[in-house]
Amino acid sequence: TQLLEQSPQFLSIQEGENLTVYCNSSSVFSSLQWYRQEPGEGPVLLVTVVTGGEVKKLKRLTFQFGDARKDSSLHITAAQPGDTGLYLCAGGFTKLSFGAGTTVTVRA
Amino acid sequence: NAGVTQTPKFRVLKTGQSMTLLCAQDMNHEYMYWYRQDPGMGLRLIHYSVGEGTTAKGEVPDGYNVSRLKKQNFLLGLESAAPSQTSVYFCASSYRGTGNTIYFGEGSWLTVV
Repeated sequence: TQLLEQSPQFLSIQEGENLTVYCNSSSVFSSLQWYRQEPGEGPVLLVTVVTGGEVKKLKRLTFQFGDARKDSSLHITAAQPGDTGLYLCAGGFTKLSFGAGTTVTVRA
Repeated sequence: NAGVTQTPKFRVLKTGQSMTLLCAQDMNHEYMYWYRQDPGMGLRLIHYSVGEGTTAKGEVPDGYNVSRLKKQNFLLGLESAAPSQTSVYFCASSYRGTGNTIYFGEGSWLTVV
């Protein structure tokens, strides 16, 4: 059983469309992180959210941490082919656990 | 600008063989981790270390052993490889624990036949 549940598992959209990826848990986290992984490479950190209700923006990416600190979402506005990749959320206490990931494909 | 370096990058093993994956980091990080990544399973923690000379079990430790004799190195050993250990292995490091950025290596592709 995954501590962090991500949905959807796969997402394929046309360039210019918007998308949202969700990360949910029954546990409360002190912080959650989002990583992006491209084929043949290791994951790379995008953002860390710490405060319940926090919203962080990274260019066209918007990250939100739920008020209860049990869930998070990633929203991409006007997706581009360069946004294609595996998006992973991660959280934990002594050690970090990862969700199964959402594979995003943006078609040109 | 090395960061986290894993060797080897690719390896094919026969069932029952042993091997060691080497991870080296040059960022003076305290914490180091070994994850495996399988389709649909995300990254699962095998073992981790919070400092030189210490190791601890993660979610899926069976069939693996680790050692952290030097702060910059974290070794993952498979004593008797099984086909179920076919996977992509990622080493990672961080300054401290959760909340800090975790830096990953590029991965080691292991196939056990």
